[in-house]
Amino acid sequence: GQQLNQSPQSMFIQEGEDVSMNCTSSSIFNTWLWYKQDPGEGPVLLIALYKAGELTSNGRLTAQFGITRKDSFLNISASIPSDVGIYFCAGAYGQNFVFGPGTRLSVLP
Amino acid sequence: ETGVTQTPRHLVMGMTNKKSLKCEQHLGHNAMYWYKQSAKKPLELMFVYNFKEQTENNSVPSRFSPECPNSSHLFLHLHTLQPEDSALYLCASSQGSLSYEQYFGPGTRLTVT
Repeated sequence: GQQLNQSPQSMFIQEGEDVSMNCTSSSIFNTWLWYKQDPGEGPVLLIALYKAGELTSNGRLTAQFGITRKDSFLNISASIPSDVGIYFCAGAYGQNFVFGPGTRLSVLP
Repeated sequence: ETGVTQTPRHLVMGMTNKKSLKCEQHLGHNAMYWYKQSAKKPLELMFVYNFKEQTENNSVPSRFSPECPNSSHLFLHLHTLQPEDSALYLCASSQGSLSYEQYFGPGTRLTVT
């Protein structure tokens, strides 16, 4: 079946730094979504992308739908402590909807 | 607060017990989902309901039994579970089953002893 890979698996950054993470697949997707999960909570939708090449921002977050339709990227600018959590990508194609394993972000003060 | 609530938030049950998880969405959505989240594994879709009809069952063991009495409520009935069923069970809803923007509840942390 379709699988998503996320890298890095985890990252430790200093407060104020920018963050980049990506999500890749060997399959094509029509939609990419990015979620964030805080400890003890369910995932929260951050950004949805519907078109190859699309670049969308949500505050300090920017996500891009890769031109090959096989990948997506998420950038966080000027990280703050509340950015800590697990970031999941999800890809959709028709009725297929799959989540990646997540990138765990830790922010050091 | 995402508009999706789940109860209980934590549940400990023995392998011979019967329990139910409840999910309620206040978003006016038509599709509801059950996911299983285990440590170090991607979210696993278990069941999908669209307009109260089950549209997907991803080879889930029969010891998990879903029920969707209306578009706002979703239950997961549990019986004779195994320790490996311990996980975070997440409920989500979306406008329709082909709407990929899903809104999740906080989850029920289930421990099977």
